[in-house]
Amino acid sequence: QVTLKESGPVLVKPTETLTLTCTVSGFSLSNARMGVSWIRQPPGKALEWLAHIFSNDEKSYSTSLKSRLTISKDTSKSQVVLTMTNMDPVDTATYYCARINGDYENDYWGQGTLVTVSS
Amino acid sequence: DIVMTQTPLSSPVTLGQPASISCRSSQSLVHSDGNTYLSWLQQRPGQPPRLLIYKISNRFSGVPDRFSGSGAGTDFTLKISRVEAEDVGVYYCMQATQLYTFGQGTKLEIK
Repeated sequence: QVTLKESGPVLVKPTETLTLTCTVSGFSLSNARMGVSWIRQPPGKALEWLAHIFSNDEKSYSTSLKSRLTISKDTSKSQVVLTMTNMDPVDTATYYCARINGDYENDYWGQGTLVTVSS
Repeated sequence: DIVMTQTPLSSPVTLGQPASISCRSSQSLVHSDGNTYLSWLQQRPGQPPRLLIYKISNRFSGVPDRFSGSGAGTDFTLKISRVEAEDVGVYYCMQATQLYTFGQGTKLEIK
């Protein structure tokens, strides 16, 4: 059974750095062509892809947020970590991680974690 | 970046009747490997998104056969043959041919 679970702070202050962790089970981050995406959704708005990392450590970032994002993985811990610097209230959103399967599809999603940016 | 445009943004439907959502991409979604990475996701109220359809027309595990996908190139459609109450939510198209982009979402509601 494939599961993903996001964890991190509920509240961050403007200008702070956000660190989110996605812990996966039911598959290995070392499986060929597997990966994990981070996607966010501001309240009442659409989904926005942020970044992904594959088993071979290939990484990609959203064009508009690239300068603020870093993605990494710890295969032994089955975790993928996303950091986002210089947080702003407009970054308030539910942050999801999702598995990328061999067909580049985000097939399994975590429940998401709501992050509020406020002083 | 590839832009995904969905129509309509809202779709009131009568139970038991069909529904259709369109998605258009700003450029062809045919990948260099010959596949077209266009998928559809459903997000029920208060829930995370769920994969329904991948590579245009393939239903994901456990998805009822009343959901179907079609299209090619830059124009794609999700159809629900007979809408049920549990289908209420927001539907997103997503492309994975060049990084990832989502459509704006289409809200399906019951009349």
